[in-house]
Amino acid sequence: GIQVEQSPPDLILQEGANSTLRCNFSDSVNNLQWFHQNPWGQLINLFYIPSGTKQNGRLSATTVATERYSLLYISSSQTTDSGVYFCARIRSGGGADGLTFGKGTHLIIQP
Amino acid sequence: ETGVTQSPTHLIKTRGQQVTLRCSSQSGHNTVSWYQQALGQGPQFIFQYYREEENGRGNFPPRFSGLQFPNYSSELNVNALELDDSALYLCASSLGLVGYNEQFFGPGTRLTVL
Repeated sequence: GIQVEQSPPDLILQEGANSTLRCNFSDSVNNLQWFHQNPWGQLINLFYIPSGTKQNGRLSATTVATERYSLLYISSSQTTDSGVYFCARIRSGGGADGLTFGKGTHLIIQP
Repeated sequence: ETGVTQSPTHLIKTRGQQVTLRCSSQSGHNTVSWYQQALGQGPQFIFQYYREEENGRGNFPPRFSGLQFPNYSSELNVNALELDDSALYLCASSLGLVGYNEQFFGPGTRLTVL
């Protein structure tokens, strides 16, 4: 089955809008990360969040491990927020595993 | 603190050739992982190296191999290149095994196989 599922696949918003990106995963996790991939391919770390809630400026994330989902919130969007957002996880007990990525959410912020 | 660096940035090869990609880990990190990202897809785990040994591998054939050096830098070697090997190759480093530690990615090497 699908191990990491992200929604929505595409999102187009006006500058200043808020958004919520969702990541569902199929088993318990050791490691869950959110990334922003810029147009040049660089993966930028947003959050390392196997459980709980974290905030960094306009971005925040919540992982509810018992219900196997994580949410990324972006407030007051700016055009520089455009790009692909990936959720990635490693299952519990997977010390020798790599990150399994979802297919990403492609976010476009229009001026 | 120096981040993860990769070389070269771009590379063009022909089918059947061999290629070596290089990665320097973030200072203080002892684990390096490699990922392949095809166009429009999420990255896929190739393998990770911990203390100079392969420690975990994804669903990639043996013609994908690697090395980690005492300074924790790493190489990814791909033999007998196929057209489907065209992708962005990403290296990531972490302080300890990936399963328990945050990973940090380099800028990638874009490989084109003709």
